[in-house]
Amino acid sequence: DTGVSQDPRHKITKRGQNVTFRCDPISEHNRLYWYRQTLGQGPEFLTYFQNEAQLEKSRLLSDRFSAERPKGSFSTLEIQRTEQGDSAMYLCASSAGLAGVDEQFFGPGTRLTVL
Amino acid sequence: AQSVTQPDIHITVSEGASLELRCNYSYGATPYLFWYVQSPGQGLQLLLKYFSGDTLVQGIKGFEAEFKRSQSSFNLRKPSVHWSDAAEYFCAVGPISGGSYIPTFGRGTSLIVHP
Repeated sequence: DTGVSQDPRHKITKRGQNVTFRCDPISEHNRLYWYRQTLGQGPEFLTYFQNEAQLEKSRLLSDRFSAERPKGSFSTLEIQRTEQGDSAMYLCASSAGLAGVDEQFFGPGTRLTVL
Repeated sequence: AQSVTQPDIHITVSEGASLELRCNYSYGATPYLFWYVQSPGQGLQLLLKYFSGDTLVQGIKGFEAEFKRSQSSFNLRKPSVHWSDAAEYFCAVGPISGGSYIPTFGRGTSLIVHP
């Protein structure tokens, strides 16, 4: 068990380009979460999955944002037509999905810079 | 809507001194409350959580927090700070959605430890 991993750790892109981030959760964890964290702020929830089902996506920031978890293991977060305001740290977390409220384990994040 | 206020952006303490980080929340029902720590280059780590029961909660790394419903507060404390405690600390409050919690985070308090 190596924890939650995210790739890439840093991404620099030009405005208007599409970017995709990957998150590999802790093995056997069936819940996976995406957050955005801007400078000087706490993480902001975006969406989450239970296995491959996306159970909450109303907080994705715009229709330019989308997430998938096709086989219930890793997940991708895509941002289309990036804007400078998308520059932030994108965090992924996973949890075991046990009964009740179980702890979310966070990855180190992907830092996005949009030029 | 739920919200979290961490009134102190920065806190500076000397190593060995006691620490209290403030957190106030707004939530319409019984809150689920959390404290996380984020070190540079590291993912967020859960320090402790409160769901119900004893209002004094013990966490990892020698931290504790006390839930005070009358004050809508959940302050984090440590009797003696170590240099390795220097980090960003986030308070969060969350409802349960589909068996998982979706936390709202405060903006964080940066802890600086002087030798």
